[in-house]
Amino acid sequence: GENVEQHPSTLSVQEGDSAVIKCTYSDSASNYFPWYKQELGKRPQLIIDIRSNVGEKKDQRIAVTLNKTAKHFSLHITETQPEDSAVYFCAASARYSSASKIIFGSGTRLSIRP
Amino acid sequence: EAGVAQSPRYKIIEKRQSVAFWCNPISGHATLYWYQQILGQGPKLLIQFQNNGVVDDSQLPKDRFSAERLKGVDSTLKIQPAKLEDSAVYLCASSLPRLTSGGTDTQYFGPGTRLTVL
Repeated sequence: GENVEQHPSTLSVQEGDSAVIKCTYSDSASNYFPWYKQELGKRPQLIIDIRSNVGEKKDQRIAVTLNKTAKHFSLHITETQPEDSAVYFCAASARYSSASKIIFGSGTRLSIRP
Repeated sequence: EAGVAQSPRYKIIEKRQSVAFWCNPISGHATLYWYQQILGQGPKLLIQFQNNGVVDDSQLPKDRFSAERLKGVDSTLKIQPAKLEDSAVYLCASSLPRLTSGGTDTQYFGPGTRLTVL
């Protein structure tokens, strides 16, 4: 079946450095790619998303890039801060008839070292 | 705008017992999702509703899990009988489909119900 692979599963970076999380998807019909941040014991929260007609999107310290040909998309966090520590999930959504189908990656646990 | 509401927040039951979870989506959101999130894993879709119709229930263990959304608003997810491996957080999410004016397909999650099966 369709799937989304996410790497790495854990990532530790020094405060102030950049963090990059990568995902690949298999469903070529996917055209919407959200990223969620989940802090311990809390619900997933949307932090940024990108649609297939755009190659890159940026929101302050967070950016997402999409390569549709290679079926890759990545999350970039610059100038990391302690509050960036969380689990991050990528997802790929495809639209079929009147509804869309979304598949989540397995998550990346990001730790920011002081 | 009120978010997605879920209850209960926590539930502890013994195996073979039954349990039900409730979800109230964001007002006007036609699409409702139930996910199972096992500790350390990403959310796994159990069932997706579009209004009161089922769009995708391919990963729902139908021998023990059932869900309904009778009036196209609130939804309940039931497990009967529960197994140890059902211990997880059950997340409900809702979205406004892109086909709807102003829709984006962005999913908004509820706080989840943490189920422990002993």
